[in-house]
Amino acid sequence: GQQVMQIPQYQHVQEGEDFTTYCNSSTTLSNIQWYKQRPGGHPVFLIQLVKSGEVKKQKRLTFQFGEAKKNSSLHITATQTTDVGTYFCAGRLGEYGNKLVFGAGTILRVKS
Amino acid sequence: DGGITQSPKYLFRKEGQNVTLSCEQNLNHDAMYWYRQDPGQGLRLIYYSQIVNDFQKGDIAEGYSVSREKKESFPLTVTSAQKNPTAFYLCASSINGANTGELFFGEGSRLTVL
Repeated sequence: GQQVMQIPQYQHVQEGEDFTTYCNSSTTLSNIQWYKQRPGGHPVFLIQLVKSGEVKKQKRLTFQFGEAKKNSSLHITATQTTDVGTYFCAGRLGEYGNKLVFGAGTILRVKS
Repeated sequence: DGGITQSPKYLFRKEGQNVTLSCEQNLNHDAMYWYRQDPGQGLRLIYYSQIVNDFQKGDIAEGYSVSREKKESFPLTVTSAQKNPTAFYLCASSINGANTGELFFGEGSRLTVL
């Protein structure tokens, strides 16, 4: 079926290092959303990207949507222990997609 | 406080038993969703509803059933036909079912089949 692939599955970084997770779709996405799930918690919405080539920043987090609207990335600069959790991308497929397809998530662990 | 309430938080069930998970929202959202989360597989859509008295199957609907008799409620029944029901179940809502808008998630229900 239609999928959104997310890599890496797991990353363990030293506090202060940068972190990036990537999402790729074989089909064009109408938009893409990013969620964060803390250990033992539930996913919480971070941001939505809609336009081709869009870049948005939230403090140390930078989100990008590819020119072809088939890929996206989340980059965290200088990770902190509060960044730990699982980061999910979720893409809406096609021009009139009305349901999200989630990536498998990237688990981030930060060592202080 | 506005939000989504799921209950119970933890549930144990014997094989062959049906179980119903509750999901209530007071956000006045039209659309509601049920996802299943398994380690390493992300969130998979079970059922969704864009309006009262209407719902559609998601990607993994077999062995599950839902109802949407009220706008604020979207209970999920895990039937004995579901072959591997042990999982973390997440309910979510959005303002509407259109192709924009964030999902608001409940805290989840963890079901374990003994």
